[in-house]
Amino acid sequence: DTEVTQTPKHLVMGMTNKKSLKCEQHMGHRAMYWYKQKAKKPPELMFVYSYEKLSINESVPSRFSPECPNSSLLNLHLHALQPEDSALYLCASSQGGWGTYNEQFFGPGTRLTVL
Amino acid sequence: EDQVTQSPEALRLQEGESSSLNCSYTVSGLRGLFWYRQDPGKGPEFLFTLYSAGEEKEKERLKATLTKKESFLHITAPKPEDSATYLCAVMGNYGQNFVFGPGTRLSVLP
Repeated sequence: DTEVTQTPKHLVMGMTNKKSLKCEQHMGHRAMYWYKQKAKKPPELMFVYSYEKLSINESVPSRFSPECPNSSLLNLHLHALQPEDSALYLCASSQGGWGTYNEQFFGPGTRLTVL
Repeated sequence: EDQVTQSPEALRLQEGESSSLNCSYTVSGLRGLFWYRQDPGKGPEFLFTLYSAGEEKEKERLKATLTKKESFLHITAPKPEDSATYLCAVMGNYGQNFVFGPGTRLSVLP
């Protein structure tokens, strides 16, 4: 089973709202990732968790706050977002820890619209 | 700095018209090259991993090949359902994250 699940599929929020995106995988993968993707662009890495510890934060604004409650779950907490944050947010996982040369498996994404 | 380019940017084919997509890379010691397919509004779907020059992998109508400078994704007798954006990504010795190319948007017309 090579499935990464994400909820919700769609999210519309105001600039003063607080919301969370959720990602789950049950493949025993040890690295989990958050990416942001704008239309007609490749995914941009935001955060990497390796063995449940934050390994990479690609200079992401503090209005995005990741959390890894356990080895299967990854959350992205959103607060005071801007309209330019509207995008497809993708979660991915890979078998080895961060830095191992494994393929990443992506979830279906959450389409976020900030009004 | 690791870099990936893909060509063409967009490609239109008639059903059954075979072609190839190119992924050229500059990386300090290639550790892996990855091909993905992405449908609009969905997450990338993993296709292939290639680790060394000369390696080839096949899946249905797709075949991926790798040289020291580039990779090709050959599509044989494509069908309309092969229409998607094809992304390649690399990992090098000194980078530990994927470096994605900009993608090739493929349209296969019936």
